[in-house]
Amino acid sequence: GQNIDQPTEMTATEGAIVQINCTYQTSGFNGLFWYQQHAGEAPTFLSYNVLDGLEEKGRFSSFLSRSKGYSYLLLKELQMKDSASYLCAVKDSNYQLIWGAGTKLIIKP
Amino acid sequence: IAGITQAPTSQILAAGRRMTLRCTQDMRHNAMYWYRQDLGLGLRLIHYSNTAGTTGKGEVPDGYSVSRANTDDFPLTLASAVPSQTSVYFCASSDSTESNIQYFGAGTRLSVL
Repeated sequence: GQNIDQPTEMTATEGAIVQINCTYQTSGFNGLFWYQQHAGEAPTFLSYNVLDGLEEKGRFSSFLSRSKGYSYLLLKELQMKDSASYLCAVKDSNYQLIWGAGTKLIIKP
Repeated sequence: IAGITQAPTSQILAAGRRMTLRCTQDMRHNAMYWYRQDLGLGLRLIHYSNTAGTTGKGEVPDGYSVSRANTDDFPLTLASAVPSQTSVYFCASSDSTESNIQYFGAGTRLSVL
């Protein structure tokens, strides 16, 4: 079966750095996405990786290793507004997204 | 403002009733999707449409139907609602770039009693 694993919840301190991991086992791979979802709101796109390596976008970076079935989202200089759920999703061989359950990130002052 | 509009925002529905969730986008995206989101689970695909006039079944299609008469609209119908269909429903559309980034509507919170 297809599976996306990410931690259920993480806690970090304002101003610090946090890394959210995602491992996947899917039928085929055509890209990996990270989305942010604030409570009661819609998911919003953060990053897309299709090749191995690090993609940096401001305070957020995303890394992919296809051979290991592994990705992480790195958030730097954490702000209170970064408190949200972070969703990992993989585009499979049918070009459909398979979603993880999300990691709830709690930022403390 | 360009984007995806879903209606209603929330709904309480008696079991056995018929309900249509509406979704409209003005970004001229070809592909559209319906997901449900339940606590502790990832988004699960119900139905999708790659282009106007075509639809396909996702992971959890039973009890739901869709139509795609034009590019902009993609309604989701529950023919006879059951309590297990209590969920948050998200409509999304994706662009035609290589990455096919999906953009989401604000969601419909549905409770079936």
